[in-house]
Amino acid sequence: ILNVEQSPQSLHVQEGDSTNFTCSFPSSNFYALHWYRWETAKSPEALFVMTLNGDEKKKGRISATLNTKEGYSYLYIKGSQPEDSATYLCAFRWTNAGKSTFGDGTTLTVKP
Amino acid sequence: SAVISQKPSRDICQRGTSLTIQCQVDSQVTMMFWYRQQPGQSLTLIATANQGSEATYESGFVIDKFPISRPNLTFSTLTVSNMSPEDSSIYLCSVTDYEQYFGPGTRLTVT
Repeated sequence: ILNVEQSPQSLHVQEGDSTNFTCSFPSSNFYALHWYRWETAKSPEALFVMTLNGDEKKKGRISATLNTKEGYSYLYIKGSQPEDSATYLCAFRWTNAGKSTFGDGTTLTVKP
Repeated sequence: SAVISQKPSRDICQRGTSLTIQCQVDSQVTMMFWYRQQPGQSLTLIATANQGSEATYESGFVIDKFPISRPNLTFSTLTVSNMSPEDSSIYLCSVTDYEQYFGPGTRLTVT
């Protein structure tokens, strides 16, 4: 059984705060690590696909890092806005066949 | 990229009935994946739908409960059979290339 853990489970911040979440995954048989943003009633939106140890990716105010040797990834949001409120999922992909194991997600609420 | 549509978007069903969920992709793909998210749980893979062969089910999921069809490279259906309240979930279909793409989901409530 592949265990993918995300912390914290939920987070409440004020507008303008910066925040970060953690995704822990098995350090063996690594193929890729995906981050998604999932708003209620919408499809999960792909944020990043990370494949190489030491990867750092950035999209606007959101960035992510990857450490495959120790099995963790961090997602950072700088200057959180109310529209950032969503559940952030990470998924560990262990083959190129597309199968992924998802974490439970971190639900972020940004208060104006 | 891939654009995926699902029908229905939501449904409320009675215990003991069955519901078929349709998934349409705007491009041809070899594999399509069906996931569910029960309340408070993570996304869990139900099965992989392969065109021209039987679906491959994950541990804990069986064909009698979740029969899948894959008649061509752009379409798949998942049936939730003999439903119980425990089947109340969001069901999503998904395809992958370098990234993974999801449909909007079907929100099922079983009463």
